[in-house]
Amino acid sequence: DAKTTQPTSMDCAEGRAANLPCNHSTISGNEYVYWYRQIHSQGPQYIIHGLKNNETNEMASLIITEDRKSSTLILPHATLRDTAVYYCIVSAAGGVGSYQLTFGKGTKLSVIP
Amino acid sequence: DTGVSQDPRHKITKRGQNVTFRCDPISEHNRLYWYRQTLGQGPEFLTYFQNEAQLEKSRLLSDRFSAERPKGSFSTLEIQRTEQGDSAMYLCASSTGANEKLFFGSGTQLSVL
Repeated sequence: DAKTTQPTSMDCAEGRAANLPCNHSTISGNEYVYWYRQIHSQGPQYIIHGLKNNETNEMASLIITEDRKSSTLILPHATLRDTAVYYCIVSAAGGVGSYQLTFGKGTKLSVIP
Repeated sequence: DTGVSQDPRHKITKRGQNVTFRCDPISEHNRLYWYRQTLGQGPEFLTYFQNEAQLEKSRLLSDRFSAERPKGSFSTLEIQRTEQGDSAMYLCASSTGANEKLFFGSGTQLSVL
C-alpha cells in the first residue's frame, strides 16, 4: 500500500530544470515529504525534505502544494550525473514507525546530453 | 569523508551456506538500519537499532536472519542456510535520529547460487 505515486520514468535535457512530481494525497499532518535518489550501484542519497513550506538546499528545491497532497522536486540545472532513480517518501519524523522509510519504485530520471 | 562503510561489496555463496555482512556507520550516529533491495524495487526495511538495542524488526526478517550491534557502533547481519530468494542488495544506513535523514552505504550484493 504505497503512500506516494510517482511517474515510472522521465527524461530531461542536460542544463534544463528537472521537475519530478509526487502525489501523496493521504499524507497526515505530522508526516514529512522526503526525497532520496539512487544512482546505479550505490546506496540511496538524501536530497531534501519538508513539512509544509517550500525548501531549498544546494542540491534541489522542494515545492509542496498548500493542501500538501502533492509535491515537486526541482533540480534547477540537470547534469548527466543526476541520472538516477528518485524516491518520494512520506514519513512522520520522530514519530512511531518513523524509522521505517517506505520506498516505492521511484522515478527513473534520464538526463539526455 | 567517513561515510557508512559496508563489507564485503559482493558475496557469492552456495545455497545452504551462512553469510555475514558488516556495517560501520558514521561515528556519531546512534541509529542504524538495515534494508534489502531486489532488482527493480525500492529498498525494503529490515531492522533498526538505537545504540545497541534492536528496536524493530520487519516481518521480512525471517528466523534465518539475525542482526547485532554489540557496542552500539558497527553492526553485523547474518543469514543462515541461505536460499536463492535471499539474493539481493543489503543496504545499511545510519542517522542521528533528529530528522530521519539517513546516510546509506553502498551495500553488499549477495548472490546465492
